[in-house]
Amino acid sequence: GAGVSQTPSNKVTEKGKYVELRCDPISGHTALYWYRQSLGQGPEFLIYFQGTGAADDSGLPNDRFFAVRPEGSVSTLKIQRTERGDSAVYLCASSEHGVTEAFFGQGTRLTVV
Amino acid sequence: QKEVEQNSGPLSVPEGAIASLNCTYSDRGSQSFFWYRQYSGKSPELIMSIYSNGDKEDGRFTAQLNKASQYVSLLIRDSQPSDSATYLCAVRGGDTNAGKSTFGDGTTLTVKP
Repeated sequence: GAGVSQTPSNKVTEKGKYVELRCDPISGHTALYWYRQSLGQGPEFLIYFQGTGAADDSGLPNDRFFAVRPEGSVSTLKIQRTERGDSAVYLCASSEHGVTEAFFGQGTRLTVV
Repeated sequence: QKEVEQNSGPLSVPEGAIASLNCTYSDRGSQSFFWYRQYSGKSPELIMSIYSNGDKEDGRFTAQLNKASQYVSLLIRDSQPSDSATYLCAVRGGDTNAGKSTFGDGTTLTVKP
């Protein structure tokens, strides 16, 4: 596609449930990033993929968060046993390589009630 | 101390004036620097990237980088009301930190007609 695509745009889930957020990067981009953003703050790094592998997952807050990119294109961010504090906008970005400009998708607004 | 610092603002300038946005960072090994614009309720949009010391101009935007002072700035000439947004500074490290970008919390700019 022309840009980074994220689905769903909005997700409301109950505390304790499992959610999956999907990111479809720009075609040909080998690097993919997940961030999350809370109101009034800048994006907070979660994980960076180069190809199929997670090159840096130092931003994942705890073991409830996991992300995969099995074929080096689409990525899924998985959150287990969601907590109200997980509520945020989850942003995905991709870049041609790990050192070039990154472009963001429109984000998924996650609300845990 | 945050890794990337920006004045939160709000910064208010009249239409047609120059808006100056500033950013400092703590990691001396940082190699790549980006400015993103974020409208309320939208995702960040890349407007400038800069990799070496000096100035880089693109239309009404000029990015300035001083690695010795660990300082990067964005100048917006002939500011328009449509420039009203939050501007995010992002810094990417080198070597083992390549890929991961650290964001400031943004400066909110208001351009008054």
